Amino acid sequence: EAGVTQFPSHSVIEKGQTVTLRCDPISGHDNLYWYRRVMGKEIKFLLHFVKESKQDESGMPNNRFLAERTGGTYSTLKVQPAELEDSGVYFCASSQTQPPSLHFGNGTRLTVT
Amino acid sequence: GDSVTQMEGPVTLSEEAFLTINCTYTATGYPSLFWYVQYPGEGLQLLLKATKADDKGSNKGFEATYRKETTSFHLEKGSVQVSDSAVYFCALSLVYGDMRFGAGTRLTVKP
Repeated sequence: EAGVTQFPSHSVIEKGQTVTLRCDPISGHDNLYWYRRVMGKEIKFLLHFVKESKQDESGMPNNRFLAERTGGTYSTLKVQPAELEDSGVYFCASSQTQPPSLHFGNGTRLTVT
Repeated sequence: GDSVTQMEGPVTLSEEAFLTINCTYTATGYPSLFWYVQYPGEGLQLLLKATKADDKGSNKGFEATYRKETTSFHLEKGSVQVSDSAVYFCALSLVYGDMRFGAGTRLTVKP
């Protein structure tokens, strides 16, 4: 089966610009998660979708971040406007079961200059 | 809140050396515990897991035992190889919660 895919793999943008990250989970996985790793620190939870609904978005840092999962398939994470501290690697993961055995994508490395 | 603390790296070992990466956790309930590995240029992969106290997870020569009394889940391997060079993340998950990760430990194995 195809794994979790993320696009783009790298993105370099200027402060104040907008970036949209995409995640395609494994087909049939209802649970979709976004995580972020900043500057070699721990991987931090951002939010969790169950199908198209946001189950938990307690990790979203602020209202510059908007995640959607229309139709319960792929998800997008938009950062608008981007700030320097948003730089990091954004991981998407999906799972079918609880407690989750997560399947991760390769991540999107975002650099804000 | 629920959290994971793992030993800081980087860790550099010679091939065939013994590896231990310490991990301790804090949780209000009874979490499942995981070790994930990220090889260069790849995403995170589940290495092993344990879902209850005294369980031992094992895979590819790596082992970790869920110790409730010491709230630990240390990763061990008896003889590391160059191909084990990667970043290792300890993590926990409560039944209906999200995954909490440690900061990651970079392992470099030299021939």
